[in-house]
Amino acid sequence: GNSVTQMEGPVTLSEEAFLTINCTYTATGYPSLFWYVQYPGEGLQLLLKATKADDKGSNKGFEATYRKETTSFHLEKGSVQVSDSAVYFCASGSRLTFGEGTQLTVNP
Amino acid sequence: DTEVTQTPKHLVMGMTNKKSLKCEQHMGHRAMYWYKQKAKKPPELMFVYSYEKLSINESVPSRFSPECPNSSLLNLHLHALQPEDSALYLCASSQIDNRVGGYTFGSGTRLTVV
Repeated sequence: GNSVTQMEGPVTLSEEAFLTINCTYTATGYPSLFWYVQYPGEGLQLLLKATKADDKGSNKGFEATYRKETTSFHLEKGSVQVSDSAVYFCASGSRLTFGEGTQLTVNP
Repeated sequence: DTEVTQTPKHLVMGMTNKKSLKCEQHMGHRAMYWYKQKAKKPPELMFVYSYEKLSINESVPSRFSPECPNSSLLNLHLHALQPEDSALYLCASSQIDNRVGGYTFGSGTRLTVV
């Protein structure tokens, strides 16, 4: 079956630092890939997605590129803000197999 | 309307109580889902409804009983729960082909079983 592996957290950064959260997947074929964000006390929000190899998803300054060669979908942002503090989940497939989540804290 | 609305936001219930969680969406999505999320863990899929019919039950105990009265509403009936069932219960919806827009999640019901 499908599986998703995310880099372990928590991740703590200073404001305006560069962010990378690694995500790799295993699957039969080429599943759609997603990044979801969960702010404290809330449900999950779709941050970005990619449906085929070499697609780049982007939203709110975050980007991730679907790399079939490395089966990866790493999340990046050039300059994080305090308001980006949240838990980030990588997910794959039509029935959303989730990674374990990465807690990001951004300090002023 | 691009939201999934869940009620109540918080619920405390005893182990002998019967309660229901409600979920509503008006995006025309024909797939709806219930997830359970424990603290610091990813959501775990419980049930999937496609075109108002139960299509996936992930071996969930019978004390959880889902219902989909129409294409906009999804309920989760709770009876004789255990303290370990305390969690955040998330509802989500999507188009049948979720690659188009992904899933839209509600804010969840935080359930405490005492």
